Amino acid sequence: EFVLTQSPATLSLSPGERATLSCRASQYISSYLAWYQQKPGQAPRLLIYDASNRATGIPARFSGSGSGTDFTLTISSLEPEDFAVYYCQQRSYWLTFGGGTRVEI
Amino acid sequence: EVQLVESGGGLVQPGRSLKLSCAASGFTFDAYAMHWVRQAPGKGLEWVAGINGVGWSRDYTGYADSVKGRFTISRDNARNSLYLQMNSLRAEDTALYYCAKSFYRVAAGTYFDYWGQGTVVTVSS
Repeated sequence: EFVLTQSPATLSLSPGERATLSCRASQYISSYLAWYQQKPGQAPRLLIYDASNRATGIPARFSGSGSGTDFTLTISSLEPEDFAVYYCQQRSYWLTFGGGTRVEI
Repeated sequence: EVQLVESGGGLVQPGRSLKLSCAASGFTFDAYAMHWVRQAPGKGLEWVAGINGVGWSRDYTGYADSVKGRFTISRDNARNSLYLQMNSLRAEDTALYYCAKSFYRVAAGTYFDYWGQGTVVTVSS
């Protein structure tokens, strides 16, 4: 069974700090990974696709890296509006999401 | 501007059926695959089903194992609408159901670049 594992489950940081979120795939998925942001009461928003490409309108403080089985989403300097839940999603073995990382103040 | 508006959710008893709809606008609807993604209360995201657009193995549909054989995805390109027929509903199908546009034109191997606000389905006696 294919699994995406996100860590940590919760990240407690302050505005201005750097956030580093991890997503690990149980099998090789090349660069076929996306990251989404979800705020309370809102639909998810696509941030990064194919591991490192920012989606339209996404600020440059969001960056993605990795390939194979290990991936990272970095927020270089947290803005107040960045506190949310972040999900990774792969497109190599059907379509599956990780369990999410909550970034909180 | 891309807009996706879901409707049709509600309270339904276990074993009964419900049909969700999604009205799309702001893009060439028939050219893109479309999907349903759900989120159980307080939980993460789960892809449910996807369907290709025209010109890309038009009859292709895909389903999560958890709904295969019970749910059917369809589309009406003339009406710019996406549907999800849900039969034999279970308590574990309780969730917010999102309609999502495929980033790529095919349903398989894609991401989701636009989402609706969702419609709530509650399965309970």
